[in-house]
Amino acid sequence: DGGITQSPKYLFRKEGQNVTLSCEQNLNHDAMYWYRQDPGQGLRLIYYSQIVNDFQKGDIAEGYSVSREKKESFPLTVTSAQKNPTAFYLCASAGEFNQPQHFGDGTRLSIL
Amino acid sequence: ELKVEQNPLFLSMQEGKNYTIYCNYSTTSDRLYWYRQDPGKSLESLFVLLSNGAVKQEGRLMASLDTKARLSTLHITAAVHDLSATYFCAVGRETSGSRLTFGEGTQLTVNP
Repeated sequence: DGGITQSPKYLFRKEGQNVTLSCEQNLNHDAMYWYRQDPGQGLRLIYYSQIVNDFQKGDIAEGYSVSREKKESFPLTVTSAQKNPTAFYLCASAGEFNQPQHFGDGTRLSIL
Repeated sequence: ELKVEQNPLFLSMQEGKNYTIYCNYSTTSDRLYWYRQDPGKSLESLFVLLSNGAVKQEGRLMASLDTKARLSTLHITAAVHDLSATYFCAVGRETSGSRLTFGEGTQLTVNP
């Protein structure tokens, strides 16, 4: 079955540590997205990529970095510069322009 | 800057009743999406609305779009407990590429 796989499901970060969240899709979608969701709130866009080897900052990119070396993969690194990383992180992908974004099951990140 | 507002943010209703969730957006848009999120889970696509006057229905849910009023509605008919979830609208603009702006979400609880 085609879909989006995020790993790990739960992740703990120590002070001063960088952590990387994985997002893989086998839907052959060009566009991929990373969102952050805080409790009781909507989704905020961190980074997005519309094509391999290209990505753009979203609304809250500070303290995060991404890469898009392969069409299938869009990993997100939460750097030590992100002082409040505790949140639910969702990865999504989209194919043709008007089609809805498909979401992974998310990664819940907490600080140790 | 595109702003998307949903109301109400919290909705508690009895089974069998009807209600409407509203999604207002601040600038011209060319597409609007409705998603459902169960607690602790990912987002599931419900409807895609692409033109003025578009109406989509699935079971007890019906979504509509009025681009002139910059308003979409999600109408719930004869609610059942299984509809309890958080519902998000998301808006896209051609000038923003494939990125979407999400509303804060409406947390719906259907009581027996």
